[in-house]
Amino acid sequence: GAVVSQHPSWVICKSGTSVKIECRSLDFQATTMFWYRQFPKQSLMLMATSNEGSKATYEQGVEKDKFLINHASLTLSTLTVTSAHPEDSSFYICSASDPASGRYNEQFFGPGTRLTVL
Amino acid sequence: QKEVEQDPGPLSVPEGAIVSLNCTYSNSAFQYFMWYRQYSRKGPELLMYTYSSGNKEDGRFTAQVDKSSKYISLFIRDSQPSDSATYLCAMSGSGANSKLTFGKGITLSVRP
Repeated sequence: GAVVSQHPSWVICKSGTSVKIECRSLDFQATTMFWYRQFPKQSLMLMATSNEGSKATYEQGVEKDKFLINHASLTLSTLTVTSAHPEDSSFYICSASDPASGRYNEQFFGPGTRLTVL
Repeated sequence: QKEVEQDPGPLSVPEGAIVSLNCTYSNSAFQYFMWYRQYSRKGPELLMYTYSSGNKEDGRFTAQVDKSSKYISLFIRDSQPSDSATYLCAMSGSGANSKLTFGKGITLSVRP
């Protein structure tokens, strides 16, 4: 199956700093990538949908100026958490759709990035 | 009412048991139904993928979709300790790259 990687797998930062998380599709081209946040013992909450070459679509309640998404190529999307605060500490997971998979709306998930803001 | 409801669990069963996991939903536009398995501190991995109503079997796993009742199920036969994980149901509409709506997830523990 299609493989999605994320980097870093975990990061600890000080309050007020910015953190960038990368999401890569390793063996396919992903025109659409999705960013999720997951709190402990909670389900995945979609933050935004990222389309290559265009602006991301954010879900209601997600601050677009705080969570900057860039999808500059067909294999890379980045999420930057700006001016991070302790309440931003969470597990961030990206996923990507492979148009060639033959399964409509199937998403392949990355391994996740655990962010801890001190 | 949430769009997707999933039994909260947790669920603990002995090895070899048959496990039944269920989700209900309210949005009749959902056409694609999936079950994901997520191990602790890992990303979800797709287990089963079904379109519309019916059954689908893959090894020890069987997925059922009943669109008339807006109810989906995942059955695990001969459960193994390695099946211990969180199981999430997910569903989407028919538009291209439609977003997935997830259930809350249920944590399953299979005791040796």
